[in-house]
Amino acid sequence: GAVVSQHPSWVICKSGTSVKIECRSLDFQATTMFWYRQFPKQSLMLMATSNEGSKATYEQGVEKDKFLINHASLTLSTLTVTSAHPEDSSFYICSARGGTGDEQYFGPGTRLTVT
Amino acid sequence: EDKVVQSPLSLVVHEGDTVTLNCSYEVTNFRSLLWYKQEKKAPTFLFMLTSSGIEKKSGRLSSILDKKELFSILNITATQTGDSAIYLCAVEERGAQKLVFGQGTRLTINP
Repeated sequence: GAVVSQHPSWVICKSGTSVKIECRSLDFQATTMFWYRQFPKQSLMLMATSNEGSKATYEQGVEKDKFLINHASLTLSTLTVTSAHPEDSSFYICSARGGTGDEQYFGPGTRLTVT
Repeated sequence: EDKVVQSPLSLVVHEGDTVTLNCSYEVTNFRSLLWYKQEKKAPTFLFMLTSSGIEKKSGRLSSILDKKELFSILNITATQTGDSAIYLCAVEERGAQKLVFGQGTRLTINP
């Protein structure tokens, strides 16, 4: 099946700093990528949907100026958590799909801890 | 607003037991329902269901969709400790690209 990677797999940063997380589709072109957040013992919550070459669509309640998403190529999307705070500590998961109607393939996730 | 509700939220059984996990949904324009298994990392795909009444099977796991009653079940027979995980149900709306996830069922299989 298709492979999606994320980097880093875990990161610890200090409050107030910014962190960038990369999501790559390794063996297919991802026209659409999704970013999810999962807090402990909770389900996945969609943060935003990004299509290559256009601005991301954010879900209600997600601050677009805080969670910057860039989908500059068909194989790479990045999520930057700006001015991170301890409440941003979470498991961030990306997924990617090749085209409408295709299955979403999930990355392994990035665990962010903000101290 | 699309809604996916899973039950039970938590289930503990003994190895060898059969379990049934439930997922009900409300969505404006249904396209598909998906089941995922999540262990320590990101979810892994189990099934995609689009048609009512057609059982999908993979080894000891099977799933079926009822589009009239708006629910799906995931069955696991002869459970093993390796089946311990969170099982997530998600629904995709036709035309939209995103998945809406349920809360998940945390399944624990004791030896």
